[in-house]
Amino acid sequence: QVTLRESGPALVKPTQTLTLTCTFSGFSLSTSGMCVSWIRQSPGKALEWLALIDWDDDKFYSTSLKTRLTISKDTSKNQVVLTMTNVDPVDTATYYCARIRKNGDFPEYFDYWGQGTLVTVSS
Amino acid sequence: DIQMTQSPSSLSASVGDRVTITCRASQRISSYLNWYQQKPGKAPKLLIYAASSLQSGVPSRFSGGGSGTDFTLTISSLQPEDFATYYCQQSYSTPLFTFGPGTKVDVK
Repeated sequence: QVTLRESGPALVKPTQTLTLTCTFSGFSLSTSGMCVSWIRQSPGKALEWLALIDWDDDKFYSTSLKTRLTISKDTSKNQVVLTMTNVDPVDTATYYCARIRKNGDFPEYFDYWGQGTLVTVSS
Repeated sequence: DIQMTQSPSSLSASVGDRVTITCRASQRISSYLNWYQQKPGKAPKLLIYAASSLQSGVPSRFSGGGSGTDFTLTISSLQPEDFATYYCQQSYSTPLFTFGPGTKVDVK
């Protein structure tokens, strides 16, 4: 059974660094094809993909946010960590982690999601 | 980046109605298109992947179609549990994924 769970602070001050952790079970990020992404959703808004890390430790970032994001993994702990620097109130959102399985050229999709964690950026 | 649009942005429907939502990509994306359902306070749930493949456990009243730039999600007979917001998502430019703005389906 695949599960993912996000954790992190509920409130962060502007200009601070936000650190979020995704703890997962039911699969291993050392298995070929496995990837974990972070996606966020501002209140009442659409979904925005942020970052992805794959089984080979390759890392990819949203074009608009790549200077502020860092994604990493701890395979032994089954965790993926996302840090976002210099947060602003516009970064207030629910942050989700989700799994992707790469399978050659077959279209990829987010098949399992965490329940999300709401982060508010405010002084 | 590939931009995704959806229409309508919202619709009102009744139980039993046939509902169709459209998603359009800013460039051709073959069949690299997925659909998700999201209910308030919940994470999105995968419904359709690769444009027309039904995710395991998803009722057969959901179907997807299209390729290239234009795609559809159809609910053949709307059920009470289907009132939700629906998002399309492209994976053609993997891993630079993009989502559509969403279509909210509510009660008429």
